Amino acid sequence: NAGVTQTPKFRVLKTGQSMTLLCAQDMNHEYMYWYRQDPGMGLRLIHYSVGEGTTAKGEVPDGYNVSRLKKQNFLLGLESAAPSQTSVYFCASSYSGTGGYEQYFGPGTRLTVT
Amino acid sequence: KNQVEQSPQSLIILEGKNCTLQCNYTVSPFSNLRWYKQDTGRGPVSLTIMTFSENTKSNGRYTATLDADTKQSSLHITASQLSDSASYICVVSYSGAGSYQLTFGKGTKLSVIP
Repeated sequence: NAGVTQTPKFRVLKTGQSMTLLCAQDMNHEYMYWYRQDPGMGLRLIHYSVGEGTTAKGEVPDGYNVSRLKKQNFLLGLESAAPSQTSVYFCASSYSGTGGYEQYFGPGTRLTVT
Repeated sequence: KNQVEQSPQSLIILEGKNCTLQCNYTVSPFSNLRWYKQDTGRGPVSLTIMTFSENTKSNGRYTATLDADTKQSSLHITASQLSDSASYICVVSYSGAGSYQLTFGKGTKLSVIP
């Protein structure tokens, strides 16, 4: 039982390049989330999904796209990377979005855009 | 605007001592409050989740308290250990539309020294 895994762990991009971050969970959770964490700020929600085939915008969605083709996977895409997207990205999953269901976080992906 | 404020920003204590971290929030309507521990370079891990009807909740040497009337919470760490060195994040769940929306505090960075 690996929990939530993220690929890759580190990545350096040049401005304008694209990439996809992969998140996988083996807990059969319905809800999945992508957050970014910047120095001096709390985690901020980028996009989330309430089930396979569904996605929704969070607090800071601009410049990102997501897809949830399979229940266990949640992909975060950057079509044209910008230095402002330099951050640590965390994926999380939960059984439900309501009530006190715990969110389980992955180990993070550190992205640098030069 | 929903906000979560944590204090202090950072704290250094000697191994074996106790400490208390504070969290004030303005999230309304409120669903639940969570404390997470985040080790350097890792994803957050849940310590406790409390609903508005719970005043206190323990997880080993960690005890969280909640006063929903004053919108304050605290996390008390007893007999600190070197492994307690981490950031502690207070997270409040909004129970309005889209109750899976969490507001994260910026965290308190705790350093336990020998």
